Amino acid sequence: GENVEQHPSTLSVQEGDSAVIKCTYSDSASNYFPWYKQELGKRPQLIIDIRSNVGEKKDQRIAVTLNKTAKHFSLHITETQPEDSAVYFCAAKGNYGQNFVFGPGTRLSVLP
Amino acid sequence: GAVVSQHPSWVICKSGTSVKIECRSLDFQATTMFWYRQFPKQSLMLMATSNEGSKATYEQGVEKDKFLINHASLTLSTLTVTSAHPEDSSFYICSARDGRGAYEQYFGPGTRLTVT
Repeated sequence: GENVEQHPSTLSVQEGDSAVIKCTYSDSASNYFPWYKQELGKRPQLIIDIRSNVGEKKDQRIAVTLNKTAKHFSLHITETQPEDSAVYFCAAKGNYGQNFVFGPGTRLSVLP
Repeated sequence: GAVVSQHPSWVICKSGTSVKIECRSLDFQATTMFWYRQFPKQSLMLMATSNEGSKATYEQGVEKDKFLINHASLTLSTLTVTSAHPEDSSFYICSARDGRGAYEQYFGPGTRLTVT
């Protein structure tokens, strides 16, 4: 089955700097890759997603890139702000199933 | 749009009792709902997938007789933790998928279960 790895597990950046989180997946048939942000004690919130027929997607300060050949995708946050501090999870969905397989998460801390 | 509610938000129960958690899609019809378990500082672990009107599909290692899932309508799925034990204490989160073909899953706020 699908296996998703995520790095780094923790990331600290200064306010205004960029943050990059990388994920790799094992199933080449996976076709959908969402990113979720989870604040402490709250629900995961979808922040951006990308489908396998697209290489890059951007939404204001957030972007996601996908390299299907290498089977990895990355989340890029520019001009980070303290409110970006949270745990970020990547996920992958197989081509035939409905389920998401989540990465282990990255705890991002944006230091003022 | 795409709001999912979950009830209760937290519950404390005694060992041996059963607890029911409800997950509702408020503004869309969810043909598929998912139940996850999340331990502190860990990722979301899928427990089961439920499709409206059919039996849930459980992930390997999840006891279907202990975690009863019912998806009786397009807006409601329930998870019942039967004969709860302290090791069942966890954060349980549901998510729902819009039945109109989208891939996105929208999460409920979660239920923190503590078994004493």
